[in-house]
Amino acid sequence: DTEVTQTPKHLVMGMTNKKSLKCEQHMGHRAMYWYKQKAKKPPELMFVYSYEKLSINESVPSRFSPECPNSSLLNLHLHALQPEDSALYLCASSQSGQPNTEAFFGQGTRLTVV
Amino acid sequence: GDSVTQMEGPVTLSEEAFLTINCTYTATGYPSLFWYVQYPGEGLQLLLKATKADDKGSNKGFEATYRKETTSFHLEKGSVQVSDSAVYFCALDILTGGGNKLTFGTGTQLKVEL
Repeated sequence: DTEVTQTPKHLVMGMTNKKSLKCEQHMGHRAMYWYKQKAKKPPELMFVYSYEKLSINESVPSRFSPECPNSSLLNLHLHALQPEDSALYLCASSQSGQPNTEAFFGQGTRLTVV
Repeated sequence: GDSVTQMEGPVTLSEEAFLTINCTYTATGYPSLFWYVQYPGEGLQLLLKATKADDKGSNKGFEATYRKETTSFHLEKGSVQVSDSAVYFCALDILTGGGNKLTFGTGTQLKVEL
């Protein structure tokens, strides 16, 4: 199984809502990532978890709150988002702390903030 | 800092034409280099990779060679098909104290016509 599964595929939320994005992998990877991709732009790294601990936060606003409940799951909790946060949110996983390692990406959650 | 520069798109080719997408990088240390492909409405898939100088990555008829002297990793395919239409991202991976960090180029959209 080389899949990274993200749910939901699409999400529309208001600026006062609270929602969560979910990501799951069963490849035994101990590094998991959240990326944000705006239209016609490359993915931008948001967070890295290594062995269930947050190891990199790329100065992401606190309205995005990541969580890694176990080695297979990664969540992104959303609260009080702005319309400019509308984007494709991609989850990825890889071997942790290894050079030359391949990242496997999910299909993404397309988020629209209204 | 680390960065990747890709040729601007979109690139439009006829089926069976030769493809080159240029990619150059700037990095401290010894990055691994990757080409990822993104089909419409989907996440990213690894196309090929190279982990050290003079390595050649290849997959599905695509090739790229890690050239340290020119800091380049150009993508080539001898005969493109309509099904190759997608956005192609060149990326480098650096292992940091916090984990692996993928840095992407801006992406090059390829459209192949009959």
